[in-house]
Amino acid sequence: NAGVMQNPRHLVRRRGQEARLRCSPMKGHSHVYWYRQLPEEGLKFMVYLQKENIIDESGMPKERFSAEFPKEGPSILRIQQVVRGDSAAYFCASSLVDGSYEQYFGPGTRLTVT
Amino acid sequence: RKEVEQDPGPFNVPEGATVAFNCTYSNSASQSFFWYRQDCRKEPKLLMSVYSSGNEDGRFTAQLNRASQYISLLIRDSKLSDSATYLCVVTPSGGYQKVTFGTGTKLQVIP
Repeated sequence: NAGVMQNPRHLVRRRGQEARLRCSPMKGHSHVYWYRQLPEEGLKFMVYLQKENIIDESGMPKERFSAEFPKEGPSILRIQQVVRGDSAAYFCASSLVDGSYEQYFGPGTRLTVT
Repeated sequence: RKEVEQDPGPFNVPEGATVAFNCTYSNSASQSFFWYRQDCRKEPKLLMSVYSSGNEDGRFTAQLNRASQYISLLIRDSKLSDSATYLCVVTPSGGYQKVTFGTGTKLQVIP
């Protein structure tokens, strides 16, 4: 059973470009969470999604950031017009449908904005 | 007051020592509690759940104190490989599964 997969693992973007981060949850998991971790800081919740629904996006900046989890395919975190302050590690986690609160994390995408 | 608070450390302990971390939470209705471990530049990994009756897994023991609203993690006979940041995780009661991560406690086990 493959774990949570994220790609790319490393992404370099120039200021003003768009960044697309992908996350495939563990098999059987339909709850996906995105977190951001700045250097030397803790994990910050961004958004929680179920298939085709955004459940909680309270941690996501109102502008430039969006997330989706379509019926088919991976969850996507999209950052438009990236700025240097967006440089961080972005982790995706997934959990089971049945209400288990245990989250399993992907290896993360390290975004560097130059 | 932060929802979840942890002493950032670092805790520098010799090999073989016993070390304990606490994590306090502010929402008395919190339902589930976990400890995660995060190695440098890696993803967090679930270490153990924290049950009301406590939970032990080898050298690791987790306890929950609802009255004082904290959870603890005890590591006995520390190994060099235990060096990592330990994250406390708290989830709310009912509803959906939004969780709150503490900022972590850094442990460095010294030879």
